[in-house]
Amino acid sequence: EIVLTQSPGTLSLSPGERATLSCRASQSVSSSYLAWYQQKPGQAPRLLIYGASSRATGIPDRFSGSGSGTDFTLTISRLEPEDFAVYYCQQYGSSPEYTFGQGTKLEIK
Amino acid sequence: QVQLVQSGAEVKKPGASVKVSCKASGYTFTGYYMHWVRQAPGQGLEWMGWINPNSGGTNYAQKFQGRVTMTRDTSISTAYMELSRLRSDDTAVYYCARDPLYSRLSGYYHYWGQGTLVTVSS
Repeated sequence: EIVLTQSPGTLSLSPGERATLSCRASQSVSSSYLAWYQQKPGQAPRLLIYGASSRATGIPDRFSGSGSGTDFTLTISRLEPEDFAVYYCQQYGSSPEYTFGQGTKLEIK
Repeated sequence: QVQLVQSGAEVKKPGASVKVSCKASGYTFTGYYMHWVRQAPGQGLEWMGWINPNSGGTNYAQKFQGRVTMTRDTSISTAYMELSRLRSDDTAVYYCARDPLYSRLSGYYHYWGQGTLVTVSS
């Protein structure tokens, strides 16, 4: 099973700042099959990025994903008030089991 | 538009079983794999398995093997997840989530149900 480790656990920033979230895999993620989700309290997760760098439909271009192999990054270029949430990475290249990271909480400083 | 509507909250005693439903609309139900993901209170996301609504084929996470059963009823476009021998640490919100690719398995999810809270308590 591929273990995903996200860092930092909590990130405190102000609106307008740039956020950089990391996701490290215990072994190489096949074909960059890595996704990022945003989750707000009481809501289902929302897909942001798939294939490591492709934005999902309707996702603003301030969200971008990068990386390959074992190291991946989600960048939010300029934080908007609605971006403060928990973010999860997920690998889906290692069938038959898919795994999620433990999450990064992005909070207002 | 694609919608996944799940059944309501459940309270179960340890050792019992729970069956959660996920009614799909707005697309061809048999064309897309359905996954189940759970989230314990204050915790992260955990993949449980998938079902191919066309064939009924399933794949379960090793952790849930022997306790989980995923089924579907194509006549009413509904997927089900049944978890047996419930324990207190099965208390969680259970989500269904649809695979994005037609007739192919990808493993990431654009569409999610609203979640069903299952509470296991004596």
